Amino acid sequence: DADVTQTPRNRITKTGKRIMLECSQTKGHDRMYWYRQDPGLGLQLIYYSFDVKDINKGEISDGYSVSRQAQAKFSLSLESAIPNQTALYFCATSDGTLGGYTFGSGTRLTVV
Amino acid sequence: GQNIDQPTEMTATEGAIVQINCTYQTSGFNGLFWYQQHAGEAPTFLSYNVLDGLEEKGRFSSFLSRSKGYSYLLLKELQMKDSASYLCAPRYNAGNMLTFGGGTRLMVKP
Repeated sequence: DADVTQTPRNRITKTGKRIMLECSQTKGHDRMYWYRQDPGLGLQLIYYSFDVKDINKGEISDGYSVSRQAQAKFSLSLESAIPNQTALYFCATSDGTLGGYTFGSGTRLTVV
Repeated sequence: GQNIDQPTEMTATEGAIVQINCTYQTSGFNGLFWYQQHAGEAPTFLSYNVLDGLEEKGRFSSFLSRSKGYSYLLLKELQMKDSASYLCAPRYNAGNMLTFGGGTRLMVKP
């Protein structure tokens, strides 16, 4: 089983719909992150959480919200999806020390 | 973020050597990661440097100069499967968080 699991893997939704992307991890890491990646571009940080009671906005949080339901679960919601939110979304985790990040396999979201 | 600069695209020939450079802001820096990302897939860890010098791992090596805010990833004996994006990711003291560059898309040709 993957250390960081994202669901769904692919999703097509209509403009204006609310959608939730889910991320769960078995690494026991306190920190979790949501990134967005547009074709041919780098990773942009949407939100991050250092523990269950700590949620922080990243560089592109407008139009998104998150929920840290437990240490192992971090969900990203699009309140009212719009076409320019079509992108590849990655969840990542880290232990907050000197290690790197572990990424989920990504969710490809298309808003039509 | 953090003024990360790496080339957007590079092309190299199978069997050759390629060097991907990265410069970054040095204030608050405490280590640098390189990730490989194949199209549509998750980034995967390649290498980590915290001290000046060269770290070698098989066909891949990574170099760091902390005073110059400079790193490079060296790929030897290129294979077609090395065609991917390579992300430079410095880590900073503020929360030990990584910041990702835009990535260098490497195309390996026969």
